[in-house]
Amino acid sequence: EVQLLESGGGLVQPGGSLRLSCAASGFTFSSYAMSWVRQAPGKGLEWVSSISDSGSGTYYIDSVKGRFTISRDNSKNTLYLQMNSLRGEDTAVYYCAKRGSSGWHDYWGQGTLVTVSS
Amino acid sequence: DIVMTQSPDSLAVSLGERATINCKSSQSVLYSSNNKNYLAWYQQKPGQPPKLLIHWASTRESGVPDRFSGSGSGTDFTLTISSLQAEDVAVYYCQQYYGIPFTFGPGTKVDIK
Repeated sequence: EVQLLESGGGLVQPGGSLRLSCAASGFTFSSYAMSWVRQAPGKGLEWVSSISDSGSGTYYIDSVKGRFTISRDNSKNTLYLQMNSLRGEDTAVYYCAKRGSSGWHDYWGQGTLVTVSS
Repeated sequence: DIVMTQSPDSLAVSLGERATINCKSSQSVLYSSNNKNYLAWYQQKPGQPPKLLIHWASTRESGVPDRFSGSGSGTDFTLTISSLQAEDVAVYYCQQYYGIPFTFGPGTKVDIK
């Protein structure tokens, strides 16, 4: 059974940093691209970032480029999102999602809430 | 960026009746080299993460009831629930994966009339 468990969310002041983690199990982690998708309170889904299976390719939405870094440790079956220079508009539930063989997302974690506020 | 729009914003359907959700992309998501539409549909129930229903515009995921079907090509797509059940109350999103950034539609809320 595929499981994705996010952690690391919380309350942070504007300009602060957080590192999200996603522990994966139930599939061969190193064989699949992964993504972070966020959902602001009461709003829709927004793709944030993806990383290739090897980690050599990383992709970001423009609004987080230069502030967020996606990475993975295939030896630990873990996906990360380092978030720096956080802004109020980054407040959201952040979901870790497994990519299918193309760009769809076939498994999702339960999400971790990031709140950026003073 | 490819902009995704959905209609209606919400709809209420009687149990057992058909629900139809439309999704439109600002440019074609049909890849000519493989004749595949790079379009997925998700269901999100309150307090839960999204669940993938359909990819390649019409390929149903394993375990998804066959009352859910996807159709369309190019820029215009439809998700149909042929006979609405109580457990289908949710918000439904389309997503294109033709290009980065991947983009989602704004969602369509489905309720029981």
